[in-house]
Amino acid sequence: GAVVSQHPSWVICKSGTSVKIECRSLDFQATTMFWYRQFPKQSLMLMATSNEGSKATYEQGVEKDKFLINHASLTLSTLTVTSAHPEDSSFYICSASTPGDTQYFGPGTRLTVL
Amino acid sequence: GQQVMQIPQYQHVQEGEDFTTYCNSSTTLSNIQWYKQRPGGHPVFLIQLVKSGEVKKQKRLTFQFGEAKKNSSLHITATQTTDVGTYFCAGRAGGTSYGKLTFGQGTILTVHP
Repeated sequence: GAVVSQHPSWVICKSGTSVKIECRSLDFQATTMFWYRQFPKQSLMLMATSNEGSKATYEQGVEKDKFLINHASLTLSTLTVTSAHPEDSSFYICSASTPGDTQYFGPGTRLTVL
Repeated sequence: GQQVMQIPQYQHVQEGEDFTTYCNSSTTLSNIQWYKQRPGGHPVFLIQLVKSGEVKKQKRLTFQFGEAKKNSSLHITATQTTDVGTYFCAGRAGGTSYGKLTFGQGTILTVHP
């Protein structure tokens, strides 16, 4: 099956710093990538949808200036959490898909902001 | 907006018992997918249902898609300890074959040996 990687798998940072998370589709070209956030024992909340070469579409309530998404190629999307605060601590998961296909999820990145 | 409700939130069973989780959408779905997330892991795709009334089986797992394409269920026969995890349904809005998925809240399954 299709493989999606995420880097880093976990990160601890100080409040006020920015953190970049990479999402890569390893064996297929993903026209669309999705970024989710998951709190402990809760469901996945879609943050934004990104299409290669265009601006990301953010879900209601998600600050686009705080969560910067770049989808520079068909195999790479990045999420940058700017000026992170403790309330941004969460499990961030990306998924990649092609039109009409399944979403393949990355292993997730656990962010802890001190 | 589209809402996907999933019940129950938690289910504790003895090994060998059956388990069912139900998913209901506020709107007609184009398709529905099911995922399993082990503790500490990420969601893993199980199956996609597209047709009205569709039933698919994977060994001990049976997936159903309602006639109105607004509800779905996942049934596990004779649970095993390896079935432990959170099961999520995720629906795509009707009229689209791709695009964002709306996830249900998930059902956390615990299996006691």
